[in-house]
Amino acid sequence: QQPVQSPQAVILREGEDAVINCSSSKALYSVHWYRQKHGEAPVFLMILLKGGEQKGHEKISASFNEKKQQSSLYLTASQLSYSGTYFCGTTSYDKVIFGPGTSLSVIP
Amino acid sequence: EAEVAQSPRYKITEKSQAVAFWCDPISGHATLYWYRQILGQGPELLVQFQDESVVDDSQLPKDRFSAERLKGVDSTLKIQPAELGDSAMYLCASSLTANQPQHFGDGTRLSIL
Repeated sequence: QQPVQSPQAVILREGEDAVINCSSSKALYSVHWYRQKHGEAPVFLMILLKGGEQKGHEKISASFNEKKQQSSLYLTASQLSYSGTYFCGTTSYDKVIFGPGTSLSVIP
Repeated sequence: EAEVAQSPRYKITEKSQAVAFWCDPISGHATLYWYRQILGQGPELLVQFQDESVVDDSQLPKDRFSAERLKGVDSTLKIQPAELGDSAMYLCASSLTANQPQHFGDGTRLSIL
């Protein structure tokens, strides 16, 4: 079953923060996050395994709450380069099912 | 530039014709994926290989689509006959093994006339 992402779209000014949420109706083993810029291939950001861990890379971090079957991606002090569509991918076994995506636009 | 190689980048063909896509994954990656992505949507898994074996093809329209990875390295996805609804981006990805970071190729943009 495809995960649900919210919001569908968000517009930010440079320096603002954003949160993208991903939820599933199924028990999850892990959550993947990818970013896809227009006309390009998706690029891997991070994987979170069950255990409620939080990962981060510079100003982008994520959390995974396996009990609630939810993950959130946090973008801090957004930069123009953060613009793109963010997809979460959830796994219950070895298959990744991608969500519909959240379009993020960062404007000057 | 993506490290997973795909060809062709673009393909325009008429309905009822045969179409084939090729993918060369990152060396050493055991798991290979074929996805279809419609504009504005997330990638949809068509088939997943572990080495040369298919581990998931539940969403592959098997009456017209076929996929193979004969030697467990490169892979081919075929559509015969193509239909108007097949117009989409076809993405190939690979990972060391399942549930590891996936590396995507640049994709093949298919347009059916």
